[in-house]
Amino acid sequence: NAGVTQTPKFQVLKTGQSMTLQCAQDMNHEYMSWYRQDPGMGLRLIHYSVGAGITDQGEVPNGYNVSRSTTEDFPLRLLSAAPSQTSVYFCASSYNSQSNQPQHFGDGTRLSIL
Amino acid sequence: KNQVEQSPQSLIILEGKNCTLQCNYTVSPFSNLRWYKQDTGRGPVSLTIMTFSENTKSNGRYTATLDADTKQSSLHITASQLSDSASYICVVSASDYKLSFGAGTTVTVRA
Repeated sequence: NAGVTQTPKFQVLKTGQSMTLQCAQDMNHEYMSWYRQDPGMGLRLIHYSVGAGITDQGEVPNGYNVSRSTTEDFPLRLLSAAPSQTSVYFCASSYNSQSNQPQHFGDGTRLSIL
Repeated sequence: KNQVEQSPQSLIILEGKNCTLQCNYTVSPFSNLRWYKQDTGRGPVSLTIMTFSENTKSNGRYTATLDADTKQSSLHITASQLSDSASYICVVSASDYKLSFGAGTTVTVRA
């Protein structure tokens, strides 16, 4: 049972480059989300999805796109990387957005923008 | 604005000792409060979830308390072990299911 799998674990980009962070879950969870974690701050929600074909913006969506073509996958795309996007990115999933069930997190992608 | 404040920011304890972490929140209306443990280089892992009617919930050596009237929660670690070294994150869910995350308390357990 893999849970939530994120790839890559580490990535270095140059300003202006684009890339896609991958996230996959094998628990048949409807709700998936992307967060960024910066030093001294709580996790901040970037985008989320309540099911295949449905996505919505979170607290800090600018500079990021998402898509949800299947229940299992929820990739996060950086359109034109900026140094301010240097962060650790976490993908999470849960049964649905309206339950008291815990979120399951991946182990993160550590992204540096030069 | 919904906020979650955790204290202390960090603490160091000796192996075998107990410690208590604090979480104060202004989230309203309240749905539930969660404590997560995040090991270095890993994602957060759920320890407990408490709803409005629950005052105490335990998970092994971890005991969480909730006072919904004062909007405070605590996480008590009993007989600490080296493996307890981690960041502990308090997360509060509002009735619209939006989550507010605290910045975490970093616990270091020394032999």
